[in-house]
Amino acid sequence: SQKIEQNSEALNIQEGKTATLTCNYTNYSPAYLQWYRQDPGRGPVFLLLIRENEKEKRKERLKVTFDTTLKQSLFHITASQPADSATYLCALNLGTNAGKSTFGDGTTLTVKP
Amino acid sequence: SAVISQKPSRDICQRGTSLTIQCQVDSQVTMMFWYRQQPGQSLTLIATANQGSEATYESGFVIDKFPISRPNLTFSTLTVSNMSPEDSSIYLCSVREGLSYTFGSGTRLTVV
Repeated sequence: SQKIEQNSEALNIQEGKTATLTCNYTNYSPAYLQWYRQDPGRGPVFLLLIRENEKEKRKERLKVTFDTTLKQSLFHITASQPADSATYLCALNLGTNAGKSTFGDGTTLTVKP
Repeated sequence: SAVISQKPSRDICQRGTSLTIQCQVDSQVTMMFWYRQQPGQSLTLIATANQGSEATYESGFVIDKFPISRPNLTFSTLTVSNMSPEDSSIYLCSVREGLSYTFGSGTRLTVV
């Protein structure tokens, strides 16, 4: 069956370090993959999208990689700040007209000052 | 990007009653999506609502329990009917913009 796994439920790092979050999937062939940030009591907010034919995408301090052979995406936040503390969700989309994405359970990141 | 207003933001309801959640978008959109997010879990798609046609429900969700209206291209409602404590969750509406999604702020529902 199709499955999305995000790394450990919680990730704690020191301010200034790089946070690396993992999204693994099985039995999918996604056309693209998205990363969202969700703060408590709020809906998810879109951060980055990477297509199946792209290896890497960057946006300011954020970087996403996509390895379709390993069936894995890595999400990096460099020079992390306490304000980066949130839950981060990956979402896969098969690229069909239905337009539906399937979300992982999320990783909660805490950046300590 | 689109701005979505969702209300109520939270509610506490008695079992057996129904709650209607409203979602207003500041632009016209073809598809609107309704999700459920149970505590500590990710988003599960309930249904896709197209204007002018019946909503399409995902496996495990039925129209009698979660009736949806989509009267125009900027508005939708989701009703949680005959509620039980298992329906306690966060309910989110969403629209697709390009290849990504914009979400409302969610409705935190507690059924007692």
